[in-house]
Parts: sequence; C-alpha cells; structure tokens
Amino acid sequence: DQQVKQNSPSLSVQEGRISILNCDYTNSMFDYFLWYKKYPAEGPTFLISISSIKDKNEDGRFTVFLNKSAKHLSLHIVPSQPGDSAVYFCAASYNFNKFYFGSGTKLNVKP
Amino acid sequence: GAGVSQSPSNKVTEKGKDVELRCDPISGHTALYWYRQSLGQGLEFLIYFQGNSAPDKSGLPSDRFSAERTGGSVSTLTIQRTQQEDSAVYLCASSHQGGPAVEQFFGPGTRLTVL
Repeated sequence: DQQVKQNSPSLSVQEGRISILNCDYTNSMFDYFLWYKKYPAEGPTFLISISSIKDKNEDGRFTVFLNKSAKHLSLHIVPSQPGDSAVYFCAASYNFNKFYFGSGTKLNVKP
Repeated sequence: GAGVSQSPSNKVTEKGKDVELRCDPISGHTALYWYRQSLGQGLEFLIYFQGNSAPDKSGLPSDRFSAERTGGSVSTLTIQRTQQEDSAVYLCASSHQGGPAVEQFFGPGTRLTVL
C-alpha cells in the first residue's frame, strides 16, 4: 500500500518557465515532508522540506506548498533551468522515523 | 569527502548466494536508513537504525534480509540465498535527528544484480 504517490512519471518544461511537481499522500499522521532530487548513478540529495504546521516554504527558486486538507504536496521551480533536469522524489514521515517515498517524477527542462 | 559511502558500488552474484552490502554513514549521524530502488520504482524503505538498535524492521521483504549496525556507525545489509527479484539499487542514508530539518544524506548506492 503506497502511502505517498507521485502520479506523473515525467514532466517536460521549457527553460525559464515554471515546473510544478505534485505529490499526494494518504496518511494524515505524516508531519514532515521532503523533496529530493536524484541524478543518474547518484544517491538522492535533499532539496527542501516542510513541516505540517506550515503551508509554504521557500528557498530560492524552489517553493514547496502543503495542502493538508487535500493531502497534497507540490514543488514549484521558478524559473526552471536545464540543470534542474533530474528525478524528483517526495517523501513523508511521522516522528522522524520511517520515511515513505513516492515513485519519482522525471523532470526534463528543455533549453 | 565526508559523505555517506557504500560498498561495493556494483555486485553481480548468482542466485542462491549470500551478499553483504556495507554502509559508512556520516560521522556523528545517529540515524541510518536502508532503502531499495527496483528498476522503474521509487525508494522502498527496508530498515531504520537509531544508534545500534533497529526500532523498525517492517520494510524487510523476507527473512532472507537482515541488517546490523555496530558502534553506532557502519551498517551491513545481508541478503541470504539471493533471488533474481532482489536485483535493485540498495541505498543507505544517514541523518542527525533532533535538528530543525531532518535531512537524510544518501550514499551513491550499491547496484545488485542477481543472475
């Protein structure tokens, strides 16, 4: 039973435009959410996180939005750059123990 | 560098053989996680260590899988009598819990191929 879902396996965006990556979860106990970025042949690297007490967290070009009532999380990248092309995973946890990851969305930013 | 390291980077084995995968976490990180990523799939949680103890082993797929961590540092994931469906990239991550942002630092993974 997958508790964190990323329903779009891929996304293609033009350089300079906004990339919006979506994530849905089923467990209302989750209290911490993270986004990771993964390049081929490398481990995922942390990008941005948000606690369940917030609905938005911004870090430079990256903003994460949390809609608890909809159990929905999104990552916005503005403006998108070719170097952002990677697989993006969302993850969720409660009590900072077990982390549940989505299946990833492959982002391609076209020059 | 002082990141998470994993060895070997690649392992090819025959069905039925045992394999050991090693993870060296970042020094001082108390939490250590093992994940598996099968082809085309997301990260599947396997086991989590806090110090040397494993409060959550619920993700281990079968009793052929086991893991230990000694000295609060290095961890080994052992797969006995490997099967072809065990083929995947096995990722290890560590984190220092208690901070404002619980970020896991991942190693590069071990790609296991069971023939």
